[in-house]
Amino acid sequence: KQEVTQIPAALSVPEGENLVLNCSFTDSAIYNLQWFRQDPGKGLTSLLLIQSSQREQTSGRLNASLDKSSGRSTLYIAASQPGDSATYLCAVENYGGSQGNLIFGKGTKLSVKP
Amino acid sequence: EAGVVQSPRYKIIEKKQPVAFWCNPISGHNTLYWYLQNLGQGPELLIRYENEEAVDDSQLPKDRFSAERLKGVDSTLKIQPAELGDSAVYLCASSLEYPADTIYFGEGSWLTVV
Repeated sequence: KQEVTQIPAALSVPEGENLVLNCSFTDSAIYNLQWFRQDPGKGLTSLLLIQSSQREQTSGRLNASLDKSSGRSTLYIAASQPGDSATYLCAVENYGGSQGNLIFGKGTKLSVKP
Repeated sequence: EAGVVQSPRYKIIEKKQPVAFWCNPISGHNTLYWYLQNLGQGPELLIRYENEEAVDDSQLPKDRFSAERLKGVDSTLKIQPAELGDSAVYLCASSLEYPADTIYFGEGSWLTVV
């Protein structure tokens, strides 16, 4: 059974700092991995999607990497801003079984202080 | 383009009462998902539809939960009777195709059972 773990559970940094959020998964037979952002009281917004054949994806100040063999992904946020404060969720989609079933971690709650 | 629309956004009911949530996916999206998100947790899939067919409902508690997607567009998720442990956020999401496309989430229906 696929399990997704995110570390740390919460993170507080000063504005301008570069930071890394970690995600690990137990079954490397994944179809893709996505990073989502969730603001309080809101739904999820997809930030980056990495196909299993890819190593990384970039969007603006965000860079996500994927090491499928070791079951790890990182989300790098450069020059953090207070507007980046949110919960960041990692999710994997498995091959076979319940394809289309995203397995989520519990998220990392990020607070960027001005 | 309108996103995934859910209603009601907030609902407070007494235990043993019924409740229903409605979802309108993005136009043209064939795949529709209902996810359950408990406080401090990542979302978990309840049911996935391909057009009007429920192709994965293995995690839907069928004794009290039911869902339908008539005509392959809007969907309704019902709980009858509600229990205290059902207090959570019910997220609807849709994607253009299956598998592994970007999934777009609605803002969720927040249920409190008292």
